[in-house]
Amino acid sequence: EPEVTQTPSHQVTQMGQEVILRCVPISNHLYFYWYRQILGQKVEFLVSFYNNEISEKSEIFDDQFSVERPDGSNFTLKIRSTKLEDSAMYFCASRAGTLYLPYGYTFGSGTRLTVV
Amino acid sequence: GENVEQHPSTLSVQEGDSAVIKCTYSDSASNYFPWYKQELGKRPQLIIDIRSNVGEKKDQRIAVTLNKTAKHFSLHITETQPEDSAVYFCAAPYGGATNKLIFGTGTLLAVQP
Repeated sequence: EPEVTQTPSHQVTQMGQEVILRCVPISNHLYFYWYRQILGQKVEFLVSFYNNEISEKSEIFDDQFSVERPDGSNFTLKIRSTKLEDSAMYFCASRAGTLYLPYGYTFGSGTRLTVV
Repeated sequence: GENVEQHPSTLSVQEGDSAVIKCTYSDSASNYFPWYKQELGKRPQLIIDIRSNVGEKKDQRIAVTLNKTAKHFSLHITETQPEDSAVYFCAAPYGGATNKLIFGTGTLLAVQP
């Protein structure tokens, strides 16, 4: 069964440092997402990406965040200057279907980001 | 707003009993409703989903029912087993450019042996 892969599985970083989280979505999916889950809380939407550009972003996704699809397979989330409250599990997801008939949202195994 | 309400937040059942988790969504255009199981430290794993053109879907011990008029959908697990213990999330796609999934707040299911 196709999978979404994420690296690294765990990243520890100093406050103020930049981090890049990497994802390889399922190859024939066209819609990509980043989500965040603070420990013990629900999964929160950060940003969606389609046709090589951001389609939608949440209030959480401020100027410190950016996404890229640098080479047609990888999908990255960058946090420019990490804060303690950025500590969370970050999930990448991709899905099948069309804009109006979505299905098959598949999540990666996540990157646990710890900001110290 | 973009909201999915989920109840209960915790549910404890005896092994062999049934468990029911309920969700309510607000966007009448939502047309696909997945349920995810999440074990501690792991990814949300899709366990069952339903499209808006059907009212019920079953897969062995798991079923999902949908009431489009009331904007409710529910997860039913029968003959629960200890390995069903996990956090369960419902979700619904909200329109906009890419139908992002919005998640419920989760239900911690504990199946007591």
